[in-house]
Amino acid sequence: DIQLTQSPSFLSAFVGDRVTITCRASQGVNNYLAWYQQNPGRAPKLLIYGASTLQRGVPSRFSGSGSGTEFTLTISSLQPEDFGTYYCQQLSSYPATFGQGTKVEVK
Amino acid sequence: EVQLVESGGGLVQPGGSLRLSCVWSGFMFDDHWMAWVRQAPGKGLEWVANINKQDEGEQFYVDSVRGRFTISRDNAKNSLSLQMNSLRAEDTAVYFCARIYLRHFDYWGQGILVTVSS
Repeated sequence: DIQLTQSPSFLSAFVGDRVTITCRASQGVNNYLAWYQQNPGRAPKLLIYGASTLQRGVPSRFSGSGSGTEFTLTISSLQPEDFGTYYCQQLSSYPATFGQGTKVEVK
Repeated sequence: EVQLVESGGGLVQPGGSLRLSCVWSGFMFDDHWMAWVRQAPGKGLEWVANINKQDEGEQFYVDSVRGRFTISRDNAKNSLSLQMNSLRAEDTAVYFCARIYLRHFDYWGQGILVTVSS
């Protein structure tokens, strides 16, 4: 199974800060890497797929980059509504797996 | 607008069975693979099962549910199901149905809670 490890597990930042979350895969995932945001009690929301393609309707302050086994999600200017938990996910091979999550708090 | 709505959750005793359903609107159902993903209370996301585009389609399962859970679909009814047998306490979770696009989950239902407890 491909393990995804996110770092950090928790971060707290100010409105306007640039925020970066890293996702490392235990083996290459052919860029089949997606990022999701989840707020408490809600379903996950797709932000990025194919490592760097912004899902329709997602603000352009979100971006994804990386290849092979190391990927990043960047929020260029953190907004109050960006709180929540962020997950990376791969389906390069079965089983599909998710990272353990990064909880983002907006100060 | 794409919408997915789950139903069928609830409280069940260990060893019991439950069948979840998901109905959707807003897209051509038989154009997409579909999936179930779950989230135990206070925990992260865990993929459960996928099924390809066809009725009686190819299925994939996470090891922990293989042989106990069965994913199925009825394209004529825009319906996805998850039959869960021999339920365990560790199956307690919110279960989401999700649409698959390429290799990711682009639309999700609101989730349905399954509690396995005596």
